[in-house]
Amino acid sequence: AQSVAQPEDQVNVAEGNPLTVKCTYSVSGNPYLFWYVQYPNRGLQFLLKYITGDNLVKGSYGFEAEFNKSQTSFHLKKPSALVSDSALYFCAVRGLGGATNKLIFGTGTLLAVQP
Amino acid sequence: DAMVIQNPRYQVTQFGKPVTLSCSQTLNHNVMYWYQQKSSQAPKLLFHYYDKDFNNEADTPDNFQSRRPNTSFCFLDIRSPGLGDAAMYLCATSSGARVIQYFGAGTRLSVL
Repeated sequence: AQSVAQPEDQVNVAEGNPLTVKCTYSVSGNPYLFWYVQYPNRGLQFLLKYITGDNLVKGSYGFEAEFNKSQTSFHLKKPSALVSDSALYFCAVRGLGGATNKLIFGTGTLLAVQP
Repeated sequence: DAMVIQNPRYQVTQFGKPVTLSCSQTLNHNVMYWYQQKSSQAPKLLFHYYDKDFNNEADTPDNFQSRRPNTSFCFLDIRSPGLGDAAMYLCATSSGARVIQYFGAGTRLSVL
């Protein structure tokens, strides 16, 4: 079965420092991997995806993620954190079956950026 | 701007009183999804429509139903809400040919 794991419930980082939010995956076949961000009382916003191609994927708001097949990881990164990046981040994998692109989400990581 | 719109943003209902949540989209996407999200947990897929074809998740309670009268609108009906159904309900859309899902802002349901 497809699944993702986010080992950290919360990540704290000072503004201006680099940030990493971790995600590992377990899939049958080639993984379709995603990162979404959720601000308080809002829906999820798409950040970036990996389907194929370069292992380093660039997305919205200066975020990027590195696909590592040998470590089955897809960590989210940003070189310099902003206070406005504070939010809940979800890693997701596409589910199996059909063309409906079902998403299976991780448990989420709360990113707190201190001024 | 094209978007996914959920109404209302906040809904309060009484225990056992039927409630309907609404989702509309201007993206002309053929797939629409309903997720339930409880207090900062991961969103959990309840069901989705691929065009008019309804696809229920195996563990979605019978208390939850959905209607999609046309491409633009999709409704979530909770027939007899219980206290455990209090949650954020998220609607999302995607095109069958693309993998990205676009989410509405959600409806936060409270059950008294």
